[in-house]
Amino acid sequence: DTGVSQDPRHKITKRGQNVTFRCDPISEHNRLYWYRQTLGQGPEFLTYFQNEAQLEKSRLLSDRFSAERPKGSFSTLEIQRTEQGDSAMYLCASSSLDRGETQYFGPGTRLLVL
Amino acid sequence: GENVEQHPSTLSVQEGDSAVIKCTYSDSASNYFPWYKQELGKRPQLIIDIRSNVGEKKDQRIAVTLNKTAKHFSLHITETQPEDSAVYFCAARPSVAGGGNKLTFGTGTQLKVEL
Repeated sequence: DTGVSQDPRHKITKRGQNVTFRCDPISEHNRLYWYRQTLGQGPEFLTYFQNEAQLEKSRLLSDRFSAERPKGSFSTLEIQRTEQGDSAMYLCASSSLDRGETQYFGPGTRLLVL
Repeated sequence: GENVEQHPSTLSVQEGDSAVIKCTYSDSASNYFPWYKQELGKRPQLIIDIRSNVGEKKDQRIAVTLNKTAKHFSLHITETQPEDSAVYFCAARPSVAGGGNKLTFGTGTQLKVEL
């Protein structure tokens, strides 16, 4: 499978714990995006990278959230001191400057904060 | 920033009928408008997209129209089939100069195709 992959697919945690999600984009896609989707809503933009540089962050991304893409390949999204309101599906997408910038989504990580 | 509104929120059609979903956007700098289909528990999948230099695009049973002046775009599905049942999201993206590459999504339309 050469599509976008995410790990884990599901995460249950207790309030106050830290969690980290991983995204592996399509090979050679230089742009990587994180979105959050809650039930009955469309995905909401969180942040995006071009290669290893984080170029934009949404106001939704509080200081408890941090994302990295250290080598311009995979990315991690960490949430510190989780809150019940963080429960959502976290989607990753990737795109290529050379291929029309279509964003291809991964299967998502579903987070439940108890 | 961009704001995308989508209607209707639910749509039920008989198999073989057509379905139309409409979206409006607020940022005149937006120049790319994709449509995604999301089945329950699965990832959003691109089904068709249109750029602002084109007014209409078709791909088999699916078509998208864009009215830049009115800032609205629509998805048309003809000869609907049960496997078309899913949630459909429209989205808009500003030009790179206007604000980067993020997509702003509508709230989705639950399409149900009944036998």
